[in-house]
Formats: sequence, C-alpha cells, structure tokens
Amino acid sequence: GAGVSQTPSNKVTEKGKYVELRCDPISGHTALYWYRQSLGQGPEFLIYFQGTGAADDSGLPNDRFFAVRPEGSVSTLKIQRTERGDSAVYLCASSANGRENTDTQYFGPGTRLTVL
Amino acid sequence: AQTVTQSQPEMSVQEAETVTLSCTYDTSENNYYLFWYKQPPSRQMILVIRQEAYKQQNATENRFSVNFQKAAKSFSLKISDSQLGDTAMYFCAFLYWGAQKLVFGQGTRLTINP
Repeated sequence: GAGVSQTPSNKVTEKGKYVELRCDPISGHTALYWYRQSLGQGPEFLIYFQGTGAADDSGLPNDRFFAVRPEGSVSTLKIQRTERGDSAVYLCASSANGRENTDTQYFGPGTRLTVL
Repeated sequence: AQTVTQSQPEMSVQEAETVTLSCTYDTSENNYYLFWYKQPPSRQMILVIRQEAYKQQNATENRFSVNFQKAAKSFSLKISDSQLGDTAMYFCAFLYWGAQKLVFGQGTRLTINP
C-alpha cells in the first residue's frame, strides 16, 4: 500500500504556540517511531510506539513534547510552548513488527517545523 | 552509549566513477545491525543497504556494497558506476539487538557531477 505519510509538510508557528504533527504509518505496521533532524545533522530518536503504547520515550527532550497513538495506527506528536530551538524536520517511521531487529524502518517525508 | 561518526561532510565525483563513504562507530555491544540510508532533497530516508554484525560476508545491493571491519568498528559504503540520481545525503546508522532506535551519523553530502 501507500508509504508513511506526514502532515503538514511544513509548519510555521510563533514562539510559545502549540503545534501538532501527524503521522500515518504503513497499513498494518505495529511499530511507529519519531525522530528529529536539526539542520545539517542526522536524525535523533524521540519516541517509539509498539501498538498503542510508548515502548521507549527516552529521546523526548523535555515535558513540552508528547506523543500519542490512541488506536495503534495514526500518531500525533504534540509540542507545547514552542521555542526557536524546536525548529527542525520531524521524521516519522514505521516497521512491520518492531520486536525483531530484522525489521526495516520505513520513513515518511517529514514535517519541517519553523518557530519564529 | 553508541556513537556513529561520518568524517566526510561532503564528497563530489564524476558520473560513472566509484566513490567510498566512510563511517566509524563506537559500541560495547556485540550484536547489532548497521545501515546506510539515502536522503534526497525530498527528505524521505531510503534504506540503501544493511549489514548484520554477526555476518562476516559484506552486504551488496547491485551497485552498492559495504566494507565491514568489525574489529576496527568501520563500515564504509562503496557506490560503483555512480549515477546522477545517487546525489543525496547519506547517513550511516546503528541499531543494537534489543533496542529499536536507530543512531545516525552526521551525514555525508554526495554530489554526482555529469
């Protein structure tokens, strides 16, 4: 089926505002991942979901960042009180199972967040 | 903690030439996987090739091959007969058994010139 999709493609917001970034994984994939890619850097892990639950959220930088996946499919990354340092490309990936290291993570095109 | 280092920020070669991208990593784990991902301007990360650390044979995928030196913790990517469509950022990444998060290097910007 279709690949991983992310909306919006670009988001511009003002410092202090709240934003939501959406990820639609590949149909049937149980594992979902969020990464953040700052300009000129490689992606950095934020959080990993297995089904509806966050199996590893060790990469979330602080409590302004939160992610949900209520029905085990679509996920939303939520950022409160945005700061200019939050500006980055937010990448989502999914994999079929997530419990086996042989799983390949398939990435979406990302959301470019700009905080003015 | 695992770290991945790509020491070449940028590389440029002519079409049809062979190019090698370097990657080193640091880990105390014995069982892990290594990957090369390609990121064109569309931003979508695309898996190029993967290597299981327990396999001694180097992985190959058509024009792409790796030189995996486990003792030296080195994992280079060789692109043969380079094509214009190979122009992209290339990221080396590490994943150890039992974890699900990829650890990426800083990337190498590869330009293939006509």
